[in-house]
Amino acid sequence: GQQLNQSPQSMFIQEGEDVSMNCTSSSIFNTWLWYKQDPGEGPVLLIALYKAGELTSNGRLTAQFGITRKDSFLNISASIPSDVGIYFCAGQLQGTYKYIFGTGTRLKVLA
Amino acid sequence: GAGVSQSPRYKVTKRGQDVALRCDPISGHVSLYWYRQALGQGPEFLTYFNYEAQQDKSGLPNDRFSAERPEGSISTLTIQRTEQRDSAMYRCASSLGPGTGELFFGEGSRLTVL
Repeated sequence: GQQLNQSPQSMFIQEGEDVSMNCTSSSIFNTWLWYKQDPGEGPVLLIALYKAGELTSNGRLTAQFGITRKDSFLNISASIPSDVGIYFCAGQLQGTYKYIFGTGTRLKVLA
Repeated sequence: GAGVSQSPRYKVTKRGQDVALRCDPISGHVSLYWYRQALGQGPEFLTYFNYEAQQDKSGLPNDRFSAERPEGSISTLTIQRTEQRDSAMYRCASSLGPGTGELFFGEGSRLTVL
């Protein structure tokens, strides 16, 4: 199935550090969503982006909708142990209501 | 309901049997999506409904897979003549309406085909 390129695949960071991850594609998207998934749970929505260039924050999380509409970025500031999990981007493909998910970024925080 | 509800949470079946997975979306949500998620991978799109209309079924792997949402609320994903490669987590998500952006997921149905 179709999936978006997401990087990095995994990250090990120290508690308190900032984290950046991104999602890229050759296709154009109308909406970007960022999710966090804990083991055994369903994905939980963190941030939704609707316009090219939009920058949106949710607590320590900040996400941006790329100007070209082909990419998106998520930053986590001052990471804490409960940030551990898998982060997924999802883009709504232009001209459809289909959401394509990224391959995921696995985050591990070392106390 | 308060959240997206899926049943059964776990299903173990023998190869060749048919299975039906159910999704009850958030009350008032018009759009409903089915995804399949392999371990360690991102959700993979299967199909999508607006009200009772199946708008896109391009992600269904083959004709053994079908989905319906006859009254525009509860949806059923049916897999006929299951094969071992069908084993996965099947996730349902709903949103307020087409293009409204926010997709909310259920806990999923874990299918194991022996």
